[in-house]
Amino acid sequence: AQSVTQPDIHITVSEGASLELRCNYSYGATPYLFWYVQSPGQGLQLLLKYFSGDTLVQGIKGFEAEFKRSQSSFNLRKPSVHWSDAAEYFCAVIAGGTSYGKLTFGQGTILTVHP
Amino acid sequence: DADVTQTPRNRITKTGKRIMLECSQTKGHDRMYWYRQDPGLGLRLIYYSFDVKDINKGEISDGYSVSRQAQAKFSLSLESAIPNQTALYFCATSGPGGEQYFGPGTRLTVT
Repeated sequence: AQSVTQPDIHITVSEGASLELRCNYSYGATPYLFWYVQSPGQGLQLLLKYFSGDTLVQGIKGFEAEFKRSQSSFNLRKPSVHWSDAAEYFCAVIAGGTSYGKLTFGQGTILTVHP
Repeated sequence: DADVTQTPRNRITKTGKRIMLECSQTKGHDRMYWYRQDPGLGLRLIYYSFDVKDINKGEISDGYSVSRQAQAKFSLSLESAIPNQTALYFCATSGPGGEQYFGPGTRLTVT
């Protein structure tokens, strides 16, 4: 079965600094990969997704992520963080076959932004 | 209007009570899901439905049941609530492309 690991439970950055959130997945074939963001008291919003093609994908709010098959990773990046980016971020994977359509989530990374 | 709505948004109930959480979506999707979120555990799948006649258990279905009343409606029931079912519950829907759209969540407290 597929699994997702987000090694960092909590990350703190200063406003204007760059950001990278790590995500590693376990799956035998090419998965469908997603990053979601959850602001306090809100539901989950899709930031970006990777299905195939260009391994660097652009998302909303200035985020991007790079799929690296050799490292089984799909790290999320942003060149300059804004205070409004403070939230919890979830990496997720859909495997193919009979599991198609079911998301498996990582544990989440809480981002704190200092002024 | 929101694409996925959940009612109630907050609920406090007592151990042993039956409770139903409701979800409606206006995206016209066939697939719907129920998740629970606990701190440090991410979201875990309770039940999912790929169409009105299809219901499947997720990874943590014990103690829960669901009903798919229509393409747009998917309800989650706790037959006899217990304190460790205190959590944030999310409904979601997805189309053929796989990306899921989430409701705002229901915060359930079982005392």
